[in-house]
Amino acid sequence: AQSVAQPEDQVNVAEGNPLTVKCTYSVSGNPYLFWYVQYPNRGLQFLLKYITGDNLVKGSYGFEAEFNKSQTSFHLKKPSALVSDSALYFCAVRGSGNQFYFGTGTSLTVIP
Amino acid sequence: SQTIHQWPATLVQPVGSPLSLECTVEGTSNPNLYWYRQAAGRGLQLLFYSVGIGQISSEVPQNLSASRPQDRQFILSSKKLLLSDSGFYLCAWTETGSEAFFGQGTRLTVV
Repeated sequence: AQSVAQPEDQVNVAEGNPLTVKCTYSVSGNPYLFWYVQYPNRGLQFLLKYITGDNLVKGSYGFEAEFNKSQTSFHLKKPSALVSDSALYFCAVRGSGNQFYFGTGTSLTVIP
Repeated sequence: SQTIHQWPATLVQPVGSPLSLECTVEGTSNPNLYWYRQAAGRGLQLLFYSVGIGQISSEVPQNLSASRPQDRQFILSSKKLLLSDSGFYLCAWTETGSEAFFGQGTRLTVV
């Protein structure tokens, strides 16, 4: 079975500091991993994905994620956080039948 | 370009009443379609997914059903709503191998 885990319910970071939102995965076969962001009462917006290739994936709004096979992790990162980055972030994995399974979400608060 | 429409945005329904939420996708053919429910603003639960017309897979048995009468139309239904059906319902689509794209969601409150 495919699954992802987000160990932190809440992450707080000061504006201008680097941010990391953690995700670990459990898959059989090659992992197809994704990050999404959700603002209040809105649908999810796609940020980036890892299918194959470079372990460092760059996405929208200055976000990037690092795929680490040995640690089965896919952490989301940004070098310098903005107040507008405050939102709910979801890690996801695509199953063999094209289902998408999401983590429980991490609420990011960027403090001015 | 592809777009996804989901309506209504908000809905308040009494317990025991029926439900019909509709989702349509434009600009693509034979998409994979999904219904998710998000409770308490956090985790997403996959309810149904469909890889083609009339093909519905249910992830979690419950008081809801889904149908796909046309290639780009996905409907979530209930004959009798329960209080526990309240939540934020999200429709999504993908093409095989791509990321999922989400609609804006429907906030359902069962009273």
